[in-house]
Amino acid sequence: DAGITQSPRYKITETGRQVTLMCHQTWSHSYMFWYRQDLGHGLRLIYYSAAADITDKGEVPDGYVVSRSKTENFPLTLESATRSQTSVYFCASSAPGDYEQFFGPGTRLTVL
Amino acid sequence: AQSVAQPEDQVNVAEGNPLTVKCTYSVSGNPYLFWYVQYPNRGLQFLLKYITGDNLVKGSYGFEAEFNKSQTSFHLKKPSALVSDSALYFCAVRDMNTGGGNKLTFGTGTQLKVEL
Repeated sequence: DAGITQSPRYKITETGRQVTLMCHQTWSHSYMFWYRQDLGHGLRLIYYSAAADITDKGEVPDGYVVSRSKTENFPLTLESATRSQTSVYFCASSAPGDYEQFFGPGTRLTVL
Repeated sequence: AQSVAQPEDQVNVAEGNPLTVKCTYSVSGNPYLFWYVQYPNRGLQFLLKYITGDNLVKGSYGFEAEFNKSQTSFHLKKPSALVSDSALYFCAVRDMNTGGGNKLTFGTGTQLKVEL
């Protein structure tokens, strides 16, 4: 299917476990982003990537790791999940110079 | 650093009445401004953007926004609200820093509730 997809849509895990959230886009957009959405904070940028093998920190990167070996994929890993990382995570992509971002459906993560 | 503020957590309006969702911005230079909408359990959807040109920007679903440089505002408007417009609305501004790329900074969101 064309567009941007995220998996899983829902995830429950325990404190200390490693979790990877997947993001895949079919537009060959060079830019990809990971956000978390929390009540009262809106969307906060975790990491972004300008192209394959180029990633950079956003506003709230601590506790997260990203990689981008292929243009279409941008996985987000929580190396040792904490309860404060319970949130809804959104992936987005955009084309250079266009600035409009296209969002995936989100992953609701609960850390017990 | 650039920022946007959405001063209202929630806006209530009756169906058929005009609606306004407020956004003010703070940037150095000319701003690139956006509005997105989020329906329950969905990702954000693009509504409209202002980059340059006419201060009144028209977007999807009958929405429009007015760019006002003197008041540093970019309020979202619709002449006649529908119950189906009930959703969470986000204002955003492009990161103007060198190397900012395509990054956007989002406001905290305004919940719009349209009642019969």
